[in-house]
Amino acid sequence: DIQMTQSPSTLSASVGARVTITCRASQSISSWLAWYQQKPGKAPKLLIYMASSLERGVPSRFSGSGSGTEFTLTISSLQPDDSATYYCQHNSRYPPSFGPGTRVEIK
Amino acid sequence: QVHLVESGGDVVQPGRSLRLSCAASGSTLNLHIIHWVRQAPGKGLEWVAAESFDGISRYYSDSVKGRFTVSRDITTNTQYLQLNNLRTEDTAVYYCARGAYTSGYCDVFDTWGQGTMVTVSS
Repeated sequence: DIQMTQSPSTLSASVGARVTITCRASQSISSWLAWYQQKPGKAPKLLIYMASSLERGVPSRFSGSGSGTEFTLTISSLQPDDSATYYCQHNSRYPPSFGPGTRVEIK
Repeated sequence: QVHLVESGGDVVQPGRSLRLSCAASGSTLNLHIIHWVRQAPGKGLEWVAAESFDGISRYYSDSVKGRFTVSRDITTNTQYLQLNNLRTEDTAVYYCARGAYTSGYCDVFDTWGQGTMVTVSS
């Protein structure tokens, strides 16, 4: 099975800051990588699929990049509403798996 | 716009069984793969199971294989997750989610239900 890791586990940044989260896969997954945002008590929300494609309705300050085993999620200008936990997930093959999550806090 | 609603969560003792339901509206289940993803309290997301859109293939995580079973009723547009021989480590919020943007082998999840809580405790 493919293992996913994320760094950092927590980050704190000011409104307007540029924020980057890294996700690594234990083996190559091409571009089969998604990012989700989850707020407390809510279901996850899809942000990015195929490593860099923005889901409809997601603000353009979110972007994704990478291929193979290393991927990044970038928030270009952090907003108060972005306070949440972010998960990466591979969909290269079964079983799909998620990273452990990165909690983003607003200073 | 598809809408998913889970139900059936409860507090049960170890070794008992439970059936969760995922009712879909706005789309028919036989056009999509529906996945089950769970989240233990304070923990991350864990994919659990899925059934192919034609109902022929079923996939399970190693942690639930042999204990959980997915099925669907096309007439009521409802997917089910049967949970047998429950363990304390199965305690979690269980989400159903629609598969999308497939790699040809597996999906990402573009629509999620609100989740239903399963607590396994003596």
